[in-house]
Amino acid sequence: NAGVTQTPKFRVLKTGQSMTLLCAQDMNHEYMYWYRQDPGMGLRLIHYSVGEGTTAKGEVPDGYNVSRLKKQNFLLGLESAAPSQTSVYFCASSLSRRATGELFFGEGSRLTVL
Amino acid sequence: DQQVKQNSPSLSVQEGRISILNCDYTNSMFDYFLWYKKYPAEGPTFLISISSIKDKNEDGRFTVFLNKSAKHLSLHIVPSQPGDSAVYFCAASVGIHNQGGKLIFGQGTELSVKP
Repeated sequence: NAGVTQTPKFRVLKTGQSMTLLCAQDMNHEYMYWYRQDPGMGLRLIHYSVGEGTTAKGEVPDGYNVSRLKKQNFLLGLESAAPSQTSVYFCASSLSRRATGELFFGEGSRLTVL
Repeated sequence: DQQVKQNSPSLSVQEGRISILNCDYTNSMFDYFLWYKKYPAEGPTFLISISSIKDKNEDGRFTVFLNKSAKHLSLHIVPSQPGDSAVYFCAASVGIHNQGGKLIFGQGTELSVKP
C-alpha cells in the first residue's frame, strides 16, 4: 500500500545545478501538490495540478517548474538551484471535487544546496 | 502575509492532561479547516477537520473548536499521551470551489507530552 512516494529522499546540490524530484501516487487521485517546509514557515505551496496535463502556481513558485504528463506522477524541477531552496519538499495528492481538502503526503525529500 | 497563524511554536504537557493547540486565520473566505500531525522524518497525516457551518467536531480524544467571529480554531487532545508528541499543523481552504483542494498551512506547533 504505497500511497505517495517521493524520490530521491535526500540530495545535495551545488549552486547552479539542476535536478528533478519525482512524486508518484497509486490512489488514482486527480489533484497533486508540491509543498516546501522551512523552520518557522510551516508548509508553503509551490505548485499544484488539478489533473493530468495541468499545472498552476502556488504561494512560492519562483525558481521551480513542474510537469504532470501522467496522472500518477508530478515532477518538481529546479533549473538552477540556489541556497534559498534548501528545504524539505513534500508531495501530496487528494481526491477531485471533494470539499474536504484532505491531502495525503509523501515522506518528504530533503534537499541541501551548497 | 501569513493567512493562517500558529503563534505558539511549542507546547509541553503532562501525560493525561489536556493539550490545547491554537490557530488564527485572517481570510474570511476560508470555510474548511483541518489539523495535520507530523512525526520527524515522516509526511504530515490528516487528523481532524471542521466545516465552517459547525463550531465543534469530535473524534475520540481529539476535538476541534471553531470560533468564526474571532477567526480562531483550537485543537483539544484529552487525555494527552506520549505518542501524541509531534508537530501539529493547522490548515485552511476555500472549500466550495476548493481551488483544487489547495490548503494554506500555519507554521506548526511542536507538542511534547511528558510521561
